[in-house]
Amino acid sequence: NAGVTQTPKFRVLKTGQSMTLLCAQDMNHEYMYWYRQDPGMGLRLIHYSVGEGTTAKGEVPDGYNVSRLKKQNFLLGLESAAPSQTSVYFCASSYGVTIRTQYFGPGTRLTVL
Amino acid sequence: EDQVTQSPEALRLQEGESSSLNCSYTVSGLRGLFWYRQDPGKGPEFLFTLYSAGEEKEKERLKATLTKKESFLHITAPKPEDSATYLCAVQAEVSSYKLIFGSGTRLLVRP
Repeated sequence: NAGVTQTPKFRVLKTGQSMTLLCAQDMNHEYMYWYRQDPGMGLRLIHYSVGEGTTAKGEVPDGYNVSRLKKQNFLLGLESAAPSQTSVYFCASSYGVTIRTQYFGPGTRLTVL
Repeated sequence: EDQVTQSPEALRLQEGESSSLNCSYTVSGLRGLFWYRQDPGKGPEFLFTLYSAGEEKEKERLKATLTKKESFLHITAPKPEDSATYLCAVQAEVSSYKLIFGSGTRLLVRP
């Protein structure tokens, strides 16, 4: 099993450009999450999904959109990138509410100039 | 407000020198407390889940314990390969989907 995978690993954008980060998991997990990690801030939840076709806002959702068209995939979109979105983005998944452990992907390092 | 505080921010140990990392939490109903290890440039790697006060879990040189207010990650006779950032996170009853993370403890074990 590959677990949770993320593409791309690195990306540099100019202010105003758009991009999509892809997360895939092969563990048949129901829940998926997108976090951002910034120095001194810890991991913060952007959006999450409790199942195929569902999404919800987390702690810091502004400037991001998500979609979960297939159970195994969770996409994070930036429509108009801003320098404040420079961060490392992690995707995670968990089986469900009763089995709560979240498993993380390797991350995407995004720089917005 | 739900909150997680980890201490110390950074810890330097000599190989074989045992110590403990602290995770203090304030949460309205604890569903679970999680410990992760994060190596530079990588995603958090799951270590332990603790669900109730008094619970303990061990893995190699690591032992995690839980009280009603805090958790400790004890490292016994650490090796240089234990160097990493250790993250603590809690899950509250009210918002069971969400993990609240601390800022982590950076551990450096010197040979």
